[in-house]
Amino acid sequence: ETGVTQSPTHLIKTRGQQVTLRCSSQSGHNTVSWYQQALGQGPQFIFQYYREEENGRGNFPPRFSGLQFPNYSSELNVNALELDDSALYLCASSQDRRNEKLFFGSGTQLSVL
Amino acid sequence: GESVGLHLPTLSVQEGDNSIINCAYSNSASDYFIWYKQESGKGPQFIIDIRSNMDKRQGQRVTVLLNKTVKHLSLQIAATQPGDSAVYFCAEMGRAGNMLTFGGGTRLMVKP
Repeated sequence: ETGVTQSPTHLIKTRGQQVTLRCSSQSGHNTVSWYQQALGQGPQFIFQYYREEENGRGNFPPRFSGLQFPNYSSELNVNALELDDSALYLCASSQDRRNEKLFFGSGTQLSVL
Repeated sequence: GESVGLHLPTLSVQEGDNSIINCAYSNSASDYFIWYKQESGKGPQFIIDIRSNMDKRQGQRVTVLLNKTVKHLSLQIAATQPGDSAVYFCAEMGRAGNMLTFGGGTRLMVKP
């Protein structure tokens, strides 16, 4: 088990709503990354936060946004939810911005109806 | 764009046998590779990693082999156990990057 915790574990929303997912990083880790994992696929990089600033972004629209707090915990916000946003959202922490050897949480399963 | 992919979506092995999971990558600039194991309902769990200046790296019951000539990565699991049943992902990162690119995954099923 890693020290990365995510909440909630499951969430059901309707199309057009907004959602906030939360993540606490492993102790000693200052970098947090968010990944989206669709059913039967590998995780896809959304973005990374290092020292409270976005430090890299994948191919996701601006309605996916995030925050990192001074204690290195993080939030992922998704506005105007679409059906295709249904996925497992994974948070991962690492010791540096290079982002190797990520430690993942168990994820938040988001269902958009 | 550049991607990482796997040859076999499902691998079924007998308990006690050795397992080999393969992965092809296309980005010649990748210099870091990593294998993750993901069990149902859990996040990916780190298994082993390797840098491009190495050809082989061993862990506990696992070995990763890197062939840069043909851009191929493999994970070998010795004496496969039922607890090894999971989906295995390879991922790679470029020299200047901070983003892991994951392949599509291989499901390993261990028969008792």
